[in-house]
Formats: sequence, C-alpha cells, structure tokens
Amino acid sequence: SQTIHQWPATLVQPVGSPLSLECTVEGTSNPNLYWYRQAAGRGLQLLFYSVGIGQISSEVPQNLSASRPQDRQFILSSKKLLLSDSGFYLCASRASAAYEQYFGPGTRLTVT
Amino acid sequence: GIQVEQSPPDLILQEGANSTLRCNFSDSVNNLQWFHQNPWGQLINLFYIPSGTKQNGRLSATTVATERYSLLYISSSQTTDSGVYFCAVGYNNNDMRFGAGTRLTVKP
Repeated sequence: SQTIHQWPATLVQPVGSPLSLECTVEGTSNPNLYWYRQAAGRGLQLLFYSVGIGQISSEVPQNLSASRPQDRQFILSSKKLLLSDSGFYLCASRASAAYEQYFGPGTRLTVT
Repeated sequence: GIQVEQSPPDLILQEGANSTLRCNFSDSVNNLQWFHQNPWGQLINLFYIPSGTKQNGRLSATTVATERYSLLYISSSQTTDSGVYFCAVGYNNNDMRFGAGTRLTVKP
C-alpha cells in the first residue's frame, strides 16, 4: 500500500517570504499526485494535480506553484507568501490503475 | 462542476448511539470516497464506494448512484469516532470534489 510523507508538519512564515513544501510517496510507481488546501477545518480545495514528471495542472489561479521533479516527489512553492495562504496543506496520491486517493499527514502553514 | 452536499453539518451523539451521514451529489460519478479526518488532521480512507454497499466493522456505506446519494452508517459510536467525515466524488479521476463535511462529536 502507499505511504505519503509530507514535511514540515508545521510552519510559521512571515508575509513575503518564500515557501517550499515537499511530498514524497512510497509503495507505488507513476502515481497521480495532488495538492489540496483546507481552511478553517472544513472543505478541501484542489490546488494542483500531476499525472507525471513535469506535468502540472492548476485548478485555481493563485499565489502558489507546484513542481514534480521526480516520479514520486511533489513540491508546492511560493515566491512571496500572503496572509491568505495560511491553511492546512495536504498531499494525496492515487495509483495510476486505481481510483482511490490516499492522503499524507499534512502541513499546517501559518503566515504572519 | 459537480456539487457535493453533506448533511448534517454537525452531529453530537452519546457514546453507543448510531448515526447516518448523508452525501448528495449533482451529477453522475464513477468515484466516491468517504474519509474520516481525525483531530490531528489526518484523512483516513473509510470506503471507496461509487455504488453498492460495503461494511467494515461498525461502519458501513451505501451509494445509490442512480439517485445521486451516499450514506455512511456508524453503529455503536465511540469517542474515537469523533472528527470530521468527508464525502468526495468525481467523474474525471483528477477532479475529485469534496463536500463541506459532517463534524461528529461523540460524548462519553
């Protein structure tokens, strides 16, 4: 079965600072990878998904970007954080031949 | 896109009680999952159930795809069942939509 790792677990960053969140997956090859954001403990919003190395699709216009430099590595970045970027960021993985998504433990980001 | 509505938004139970959570969706789907988000934020897969009925211990789920709803049953609830339950649906595999969740509190 898949195991999804995310780090850091928590992060406090000032407005205007850069961001890099990392997600790595074990137990599957060529997964579809996803970044979600959850605000105020409710409702997950899909931010980005990737079906392969270097292939990124964005769901909503925003201050964030994503990259997939390796098959099982997914990175969420920002050049300059905004207060509105605060939230709980979750990485998810879906095996290419399956339908179920599995989630990592998340990163709680506070922008001050 | 597909709209997902979950009800009730909040539910408070006494330990040992049973409950039913509902998920309505607005369009045909070929992917439906139920998740439990624990107090630490971890999303735990409960069921992948685009149609039919499944059971896992005290939890069971039923999806009636033709009528566009799914139900999650929790029997003999325990305090560890507390948290937020999410329904997520999709037709395109890369376009899963989450409901707003049902926050369950089980009191001892």
